[in-house]
Amino acid sequence: RKEVEQDPGPFNVPEGATVAFNCTYSNSASQSFFWYRQDCRKEPKLLMSVYSSGNEDGRFTAQLNRASQYISLLIRDSKLSDSATYLCVVNITSGAGSYQLTFGKGTKLSVIP
Amino acid sequence: EAGVAQSPRYKIIEKRQSVAFWCNPISGHATLYWYQQILGQGPKLLIQFQNNGVVDDSQLPKDRFSAERLKGVDSTLKIQPAKLEDSAVYLCASSLDLIPTDTQYFGPGTRLTVL
Repeated sequence: RKEVEQDPGPFNVPEGATVAFNCTYSNSASQSFFWYRQDCRKEPKLLMSVYSSGNEDGRFTAQLNRASQYISLLIRDSKLSDSATYLCVVNITSGAGSYQLTFGKGTKLSVIP
Repeated sequence: EAGVAQSPRYKIIEKRQSVAFWCNPISGHATLYWYQQILGQGPKLLIQFQNNGVVDDSQLPKDRFSAERLKGVDSTLKIQPAKLEDSAVYLCASSLDLIPTDTQYFGPGTRLTVL
């Protein structure tokens, strides 16, 4: 089982639509959780951290269910500029006693006019 | 504030050749990371440094890959000799410290093609 698994893409949605991405992780000792955004041929950038209580940033809502080891990202009122690949990221304690980010494969979103 | 700098941006080499990548992290960031991102995959951590010491290199293929951060600032990643499967984008990232909630900032990456 992969450490971080995401919905297979791509998602093609019209402008104004609501879209949800799901992610599961296998390591129950995972410490922290994030969604990163990666535009085509660009570097990943932090979109938002994910907290157990759920958190919102404008049109974006992230939720974490530690019991189910499940993370979600909801985008409301999609804009053309939201087109990108969304990476689910989990911070896991490594064998060396440090922490390392483990990325999912990403889900590609295309918002269509 | 200047971001993470990487060079070169693109590199094409033949298999069995050597290649080196350079990274300069955000000023003041103690922790530096090298990732490999193969097309269609998420980034995979190769090595992380805290100042000039290696924290974790468990996923670095040490028979051909090496990395150093001698003065605790900039870093180089070397591949010798390169294989076809090394074709990927090599991303450098940095964070203030080695805390799970610290944000990692990525550089633009070096796109390596091995022919």
